Amino acid sequence: NAGVTQTPKFRVLKTGQSMTLLCAQDMNHEYMYWYRQDPGMGLRLIHYSVGEGTTAKGEVPDGYNVSRLKKQNFLLGLESAAPSQTSVYFCASSWGPLVRDTEAFFGQGTRLTVV
Amino acid sequence: GNSVTQMEGPVTLSEEAFLTINCTYTATGYPSLFWYVQYPGEGLQLLLKATKADDKGSNKGFEATYRKETTSFHLEKGSVQVSDSAVYFCALPYGQNFVFGPGTRLSVLP
Repeated sequence: NAGVTQTPKFRVLKTGQSMTLLCAQDMNHEYMYWYRQDPGMGLRLIHYSVGEGTTAKGEVPDGYNVSRLKKQNFLLGLESAAPSQTSVYFCASSWGPLVRDTEAFFGQGTRLTVV
Repeated sequence: GNSVTQMEGPVTLSEEAFLTINCTYTATGYPSLFWYVQYPGEGLQLLLKATKADDKGSNKGFEATYRKETTSFHLEKGSVQVSDSAVYFCALPYGQNFVFGPGTRLSVLP
């Protein structure tokens, strides 16, 4: 099983450019998440989705947009990239909300550098 | 809201040494507690979990006991290997999400 797949794995952007990160999961999970990982700060939630056609803001949503047009895909967009968005981005999915003992499954990450 | 405090590394040990990574939490009620591990170049994966007080989670030689009296979930391993070199995250649910600690980088030297 592929699990959670992120595309691309690496990307360098110039300030002001736009891009879309793609996350695909093959586990039929309802919930999907986008996190960013910065040194010393753990993972912070950007946006999440509780099902096809739904999205919600997380802890650090500014500068990002998301879409969940198909259940298996969750897209993260940067409309005008800034150096502060240099980070490692992780997508995750789960069958239900992250309560009790529900496990989250993570992709391998996308390393984004904005110059 | 829920929060996690985790010892920050890096931690460097020799092979076969004893490992402890401290994690304490603040939460409403008694949430489940998790340890996730991130090996070099990979995403996070679940290492172990405990769903109620006094539960002990275990996997790959790692253990952690859910102690409500000290609000702790410390990760331990009796004899680390080079292959255990990774970043370890303590986490607990908050709303429909996880709250993660900052991560502890472990390096094990042969």
